[in-house]
Amino acid sequence: GAVVSQHPSWVICKSGTSVKIECRSLDFQATTMFWYRQFPKQSLMLMATSNEGSKATYEQGVEKDKFLINHASLTLSTLTVTSAHPEDSSFYICSARGLGNTEAFFGQGTRLTVV
Amino acid sequence: KNQVEQSPQSLIILEGKNCTLQCNYTVSPFSNLRWYKQDTGRGPVSLTIMTFSENTKSNGRYTATLDADTKQSSLHITASQLSDSASYICVVRGGGGADGLTFGKGTHLIIQP
Repeated sequence: GAVVSQHPSWVICKSGTSVKIECRSLDFQATTMFWYRQFPKQSLMLMATSNEGSKATYEQGVEKDKFLINHASLTLSTLTVTSAHPEDSSFYICSARGLGNTEAFFGQGTRLTVV
Repeated sequence: KNQVEQSPQSLIILEGKNCTLQCNYTVSPFSNLRWYKQDTGRGPVSLTIMTFSENTKSNGRYTATLDADTKQSSLHITASQLSDSASYICVVRGGGGADGLTFGKGTHLIIQP
């Protein structure tokens, strides 16, 4: 199957700082990438959808100014958590989908801890 | 409302034993159903994918079933191993949404030696 790589796997940051998470498609061109957040023992919750070269579309209740998404190339999307607070601590997962493909492939996730 | 309900929430079994996880869904229209394995601190990895016309699909010790009439699926794990300890998530494609997916909360499976 297609490979999607997320970096870093885990990160600890101080409250008030910003953190950037990368999502790369290694062996295909990802025209669409999805960003999810997962709290312990909960479902993956879709945060936003990014299409290469255009602005991300955010789900209801997700602050676009807090969770900045950039999808500048067909193999890379980034999620920046700005002015992070302890309540932003969560597991963030991306998935990537190629043109004409209905199936998306998940990255390995990033554990964010804000202290 | 599109929903995916999984049971049990958690399960503990001894190594070598079999187990069956359940998934009920109300997603419409239905495209396909996937079972994922998610190790702690990792992203989901696909185990099986089933379309409307498929009743059973196997992947090694994992066997998934689908009853499209009753909108139920199960994942049977045979001869469990310690490495099977993980969350198993049922995901249904269809019913709209930006990603077209409805996720279950997962069953947390613990295999004890």
